[in-house]
Amino acid sequence: GAVVSQHPSRVICKSGTSVKIECRSLDFQATTMFWYRQFPKQSLMLMATSNEGSKATYEQGVEKDKFLINHASLTLSTLTVTSAHPEDSSFYICSAAFPGSSSYEQYFGPGTRLTVT
Amino acid sequence: GQNIDQPTEMTATEGAIVQINCTYQTSGFNGLFWYQQHAGEAPTFLSYNVLDGLEEKGRFSSFLSRSKGYSYLLLKELQMKDSASYLCAVRPYDNDYKLSFGAGTTVTVRA
Repeated sequence: GAVVSQHPSRVICKSGTSVKIECRSLDFQATTMFWYRQFPKQSLMLMATSNEGSKATYEQGVEKDKFLINHASLTLSTLTVTSAHPEDSSFYICSAAFPGSSSYEQYFGPGTRLTVT
Repeated sequence: GQNIDQPTEMTATEGAIVQINCTYQTSGFNGLFWYQQHAGEAPTFLSYNVLDGLEEKGRFSSFLSRSKGYSYLLLKELQMKDSASYLCAVRPYDNDYKLSFGAGTTVTVRA
């Protein structure tokens, strides 16, 4: 089956530093990937749509200069949280669109737990 | 905006049946997904409905009524491992993978 990996699974960083999270589709090519954040006991909130070879599309209210997304290849998208603050602490999940899926299915990565101290 | 509602929590006994309801009001409708998510893990796909009716997959079934903006996920013969959060998600736009998620229903299975 389709597998999506994320790295790191957990990261703790100090306030003001930047953190990069990688999302990889391991056995298929994904022209489109999505980045979500999830607070405890809340829904997945879509942050941005990442398209290979073009700029990401950000959802309303998401700061594009703070959450930098790069989709440099068909199997890799990265999310960089710049100048992180404690309120950025959250569970970040990526997903990859499975190409040619009649149901437009997404496959999710295992998530990255970010804690900003 | 998109509005997707589901109950926050449900508790059931091992071996029993639980039905998780989801109602939606979205700008469009191009399919509804149910995902299972264990704490701290990624959501995993359970079912997909785009036409009205019941889809059955082993112990899990999902139902859709587009006219009512309503779906349910039915979990039969509950097992302890079914304790998880169940997410209802709607695909509002045609030719677009984007999903809008409900807040999730935490199901606790007790012995």
